[in-house]
Amino acid sequence: NAGVTQTPKFQVLKTGQSMTLQCAQDMNHEYMSWYRQDPGMGLRLIHYSVGAGITDQGEVPNGYNVSRSTTEDFPLRLLSAAPSQTSVYFCASRNRGENQPQHFGDGTRLSIL
Amino acid sequence: EDKVVQSPLSLVVHEGDTVTLNCSYEVTNFRSLLWYKQEKKAPTFLFMLTSSGIEKKSGRLSSILDKKELFSILNITATQTGDSAIYLCAQSPNAGGTSYGKLTFGQGTILTVHP
Repeated sequence: NAGVTQTPKFQVLKTGQSMTLQCAQDMNHEYMSWYRQDPGMGLRLIHYSVGAGITDQGEVPNGYNVSRSTTEDFPLRLLSAAPSQTSVYFCASRNRGENQPQHFGDGTRLSIL
Repeated sequence: EDKVVQSPLSLVVHEGDTVTLNCSYEVTNFRSLLWYKQEKKAPTFLFMLTSSGIEKKSGRLSSILDKKELFSILNITATQTGDSAIYLCAQSPNAGGTSYGKLTFGQGTILTVHP
């Protein structure tokens, strides 16, 4: 009964380092998304995917890359971390079909020094 | 540009009080409005609203949508300390199949319930 699993839960990086945030879901959901949450700003969409091999940009895509090689996994890559990317990152998935809610992972808290 | 605005941004009440949280939206193509509760970790789904005037209810929580005035409210009656959380409102656009991965969130309302 795992649902949406994100790793790591916490990470500290230095400016300029790269890393990949992992997201996996075991519900066979076609749609997956990445959001970042900053104080007073709610959740903002970074990238999303409607199926394996298909991705698109959200509201704040700059500095992030994604790929979707399988239905289960949707990793988020920071190529050169910047302090402005300090945030809590949430991955979400939902089923195909109308009026299906998104299910969220527990988040990754990322600090860039 | 789609926009969702929540009010108040924070609210402090005592156990037993009733609270009303507000969510207004401006969207190009509206499909549904969702409410989530966020405690320490992941937002958890509360309600999805697609039709005006139809109340959704779960225990002490209820919500309703007004598509003419472009807003929704979330009511919590007889509040408990366990209701303390951030309540998030989000809208899902109706822009074809590729929009189904997208939600636009409001800033959230931080609710604190004191014993």
